[in-house]
Amino acid sequence: QKEVEQNSGPLSVPEGAIASLNCTYSDRGSQSFFWYRQYSGKSPELIMFIYSNGDKEDGRFTAQLNKASQYVSLLIRDSQPSDSATYLCAVNEGGYNKLIFGAGTRLAVHP
Amino acid sequence: GAVVSQHPSWVICKSGTSVKIECRSLDFQATTMFWYRQFPKQSLMLMATSNEGSKATYEQGVEKDKFLINHASLTLSTLTVTSAHPEDSSFYICSALPRLPTSYEQYFGPGTRLTVT
Repeated sequence: QKEVEQNSGPLSVPEGAIASLNCTYSDRGSQSFFWYRQYSGKSPELIMFIYSNGDKEDGRFTAQLNKASQYVSLLIRDSQPSDSATYLCAVNEGGYNKLIFGAGTRLAVHP
Repeated sequence: GAVVSQHPSWVICKSGTSVKIECRSLDFQATTMFWYRQFPKQSLMLMATSNEGSKATYEQGVEKDKFLINHASLTLSTLTVTSAHPEDSSFYICSALPRLPTSYEQYFGPGTRLTVT
């Protein structure tokens, strides 16, 4: 059974701090890794994706991938209350189009 | 660009009736669409993969005779929940993969909230 594991949280950080979200996956054949944000009652929206080992930065967001450790993370700098949401890690299954989602980490940014 | 719509956004139906949900890619062609279900405080669970012009591939445990999927064109897939029961009440979300993908990114629709009474 291919799995994607995330800490369910809630992760509580003060406004302006760095939020660190982590994800591990079991399928070594996975090639694409995604972070989605989902507000309550809404569908997921893509924050960023990463394919290669290392860091990928986009504005306040940085994704980090370590394929050897089967680990992917998302850093959110200068966290804002509007970042409060559930963050879903998704991994494509064995190089195919199908995505496997983690259970999500709930982030709460307090003023 | 890359907009996916779903209709209806919410629906209430009586137990035993059928409900059809539409998923459309508005500004791109999608050979593959996915249907997910999400229960409260749970993650997205893939129900089936829908390919244009062929039969859908269902995930283990999903009844293909209950959840009918039709992907008749490159921009439209439909999910019909037949003989709906209260336990089918959930948030149904579709996503679409562009015909010429630059990545494996799936574009999600806004979701359909189904309540079966």
